[in-house]
Amino acid sequence: NAGVTQTPKFRVLKTGQSMTLLCAQDMNHEYMYWYRQDPGMGLRLIHYSVGEGTTAKGEVPDGYNVSRLKKQNFLLGLESAAPSQTSVYFCASSYRAAGPYEQYFGPGTRLTVT
Amino acid sequence: AQSVSQHNHHVILSEAASLELGCNYSYGGTVNLFWYVQYPGQHLQLLLKYFSGDPLVKGIKGFEAEFIKSKFSFNLRKPSVQWSDTAEYFCAVLAGSGNTGKLIFGQGTTLQVKP
Repeated sequence: NAGVTQTPKFRVLKTGQSMTLLCAQDMNHEYMYWYRQDPGMGLRLIHYSVGEGTTAKGEVPDGYNVSRLKKQNFLLGLESAAPSQTSVYFCASSYRAAGPYEQYFGPGTRLTVT
Repeated sequence: AQSVSQHNHHVILSEAASLELGCNYSYGGTVNLFWYVQYPGQHLQLLLKYFSGDPLVKGIKGFEAEFIKSKFSFNLRKPSVQWSDTAEYFCAVLAGSGNTGKLIFGQGTTLQVKP
């Protein structure tokens, strides 16, 4: 099993450009999440999905959109990048929401917006 | 709103020293608790988790944590740290039942172990 993979690993964007981050998991997990990690702020939830075809907003959703067309993939889109979106983005997945089921994290995508 | 607070932002220890990282959360209901570790340049990995039962939880690499419900705390401990424990440590809480699995993370603690 590859676990949770993310594409790309690094990206530099100019303000106003758009991009899509891809997350894929091969563990047949129902739940998938996108977080951003900023120094001194831990991880903050951007959007999440409780199953194929469903998405919901997390703590910091503004400026991002997501789609979950296939169970194994969760895409994070930035329509018009801003310097405030410079961050490290982590995708995670879990089998269930509650109970003894941890979230498994991908390796991260380091995004810089200039 | 639910929150998680990690009191130590940056900890520097010598090898063989004992470690205790504080974690407090604000939520009065059922909680599931986690400690994740992020080694330099790597993704988050689970160290240990508490869901129910014995409040003293043992994890990987000699780490343990104790859930003290009355203090809303879940402190991480290790009796003797190694240089390889240099990493960032995150406490996280999964609050409520039947929810959507939203983890609330603390700010993180950077641990630097000097050889």
